Amino acid sequence: DQQVKQNSPSLSVQEGRISILNCDYTNSMFDYFLWYKKYPAEGPTFLISISSIKDKNEDGRFTVFLNKSAKHLSLHIVPSQPGDSAVYFCAASGGYRNKLVFGAGTILRVKS
Amino acid sequence: NAGVTQTPKFQVLKTGQSMTLQCAQDMNHEYMSWYRQDPGMGLRLIHYSVGAGITDQGEVPNGYNVSRSTTEDFPLRLLSAAPSQTSVYFCASSSVGARGYTFGSGTRLTVV
Repeated sequence: DQQVKQNSPSLSVQEGRISILNCDYTNSMFDYFLWYKKYPAEGPTFLISISSIKDKNEDGRFTVFLNKSAKHLSLHIVPSQPGDSAVYFCAASGGYRNKLVFGAGTILRVKS
Repeated sequence: NAGVTQTPKFQVLKTGQSMTLQCAQDMNHEYMSWYRQDPGMGLRLIHYSVGAGITDQGEVPNGYNVSRSTTEDFPLRLLSAAPSQTSVYFCASSSVGARGYTFGSGTRLTVV
C-alpha cells in the first residue's frame, strides 16, 4: 500500500515551458514533504521542501505547492531547461524527519 | 569534503553469499539511512540510525543487518543473499533539523 503516489511515470515538456509534477499522499500524519532529483548512476539530490504549515515554497525556478485537504502536492519548474531532465521523487515524513517515504518517481524529459 | 561515500559501486553475488555494503560520511551527521531502489517502487527504507549505537528497522528490513559503532560509518550487511535483493542501494545522511538527506551515489547489487 503506497502512502506516497506519483501517478505519472513520465512527462515530456518543451524547453522554456512549465513542468508540473504531481504527488498524492494518503497518510494524514505526514507533515513535511520533499522533492528529490536523480540523474542516472547518481544518488538523489535534495531539491526543495515544504512544511505542512505552509502551502507554497519557492526556490528560484522551483516552486512546491501543498494542498493539505486534497493530500496533494506539486512541483512547478519554470522555465524548464534541458538540464532538468531527470527522475523526480516526491517524499514525505511525519514526526520523525529521518524516516522518509518516497513515491515511485516521475521521469521528466525537457526537449530543446 | 567527500560527503557520503558508498563502496563498492557494483557487486555480483551468488545466492546464499553474505557481504557488507559500506557507507561513510564526513559531515558529522547524526542521522543515517539505507534505502533500496527498485523499478516502479521508488526508494524504500531498509534501516536507519539516529546516532551512534542506535538503529531501527525501516519498511523492508528482512535479510539485512546494520550497526552504527561510530558517527561516520553505517554498514549494511546481507546475511544470505537472495535474488529478491537485486537492487540499487543508497546510503544517506542528515543532520538534525536539516531540510533533506544527502545521498551517496549508490551500490548496484545483482544476486544470481
